[in-house]
Amino acid sequence: ELKVEQNPLFLSMQEGKNYTIYCNYSTTSDRLYWYRQDPGKSLESLFVLLSNGAVKQEGRLMASLDTKARLSTLHITAAVHDLSATYFCAVDMSWSNYQLIWGAGTKLIIKP
Amino acid sequence: TAGITQAPTSQILAAGRSMTLRCTQDMRHNAMYWYRQDLGLGLRLIHYSNTAGTTGKGEVPDGYSVSRANTDDFPLTLASAVPSQTSVYFCASSDSREQFFGPGTRLTVL
Repeated sequence: ELKVEQNPLFLSMQEGKNYTIYCNYSTTSDRLYWYRQDPGKSLESLFVLLSNGAVKQEGRLMASLDTKARLSTLHITAAVHDLSATYFCAVDMSWSNYQLIWGAGTKLIIKP
Repeated sequence: TAGITQAPTSQILAAGRSMTLRCTQDMRHNAMYWYRQDLGLGLRLIHYSNTAGTTGKGEVPDGYSVSRANTDDFPLTLASAVPSQTSVYFCASSDSREQFFGPGTRLTVL
């Protein structure tokens, strides 16, 4: 059974600091997704990581994928308040027609 | 571009009543999905459809049914609602590369 674990589940940090959110999964997959969700809103796609060693960056966010370690990281550089949101990782059950298994989410609060 | 629309935005429903949540996409995606989101549990897949005319069960299908008569529409029906079905429901579609989400329906079953 594919399981996806994120940690931490809750993170409160100061503006200007760096931090990393981790996403571990339990079985082979070479597709991983990061989404952002603002309170009361829908999910917005941030990154699609399609192969081992993939690294993508958008502004202060950088995501990477290590399929051998079954680990993805979402790194936040010099955090700003606007990045406060809940971040989800999801792993593709590629053998099952693009169904995704989701982590529980990391609620990130960035204090001014 | 509308993308994915869901209706209603929110609903309060008496236990035992039936209800259909509507989902329409205009991106011509083959695959569509219904999720429920509950606090602390992330997203759980209810049903999915890989193409028009086919559907499949996800992680938590009990109490829900779906149909996929055409590419654009993927309604989710609760035949006899129970309080444990109180949740936020998201519809999504996929271009086989990533999933795109609708705005959600907040359902409260009393």
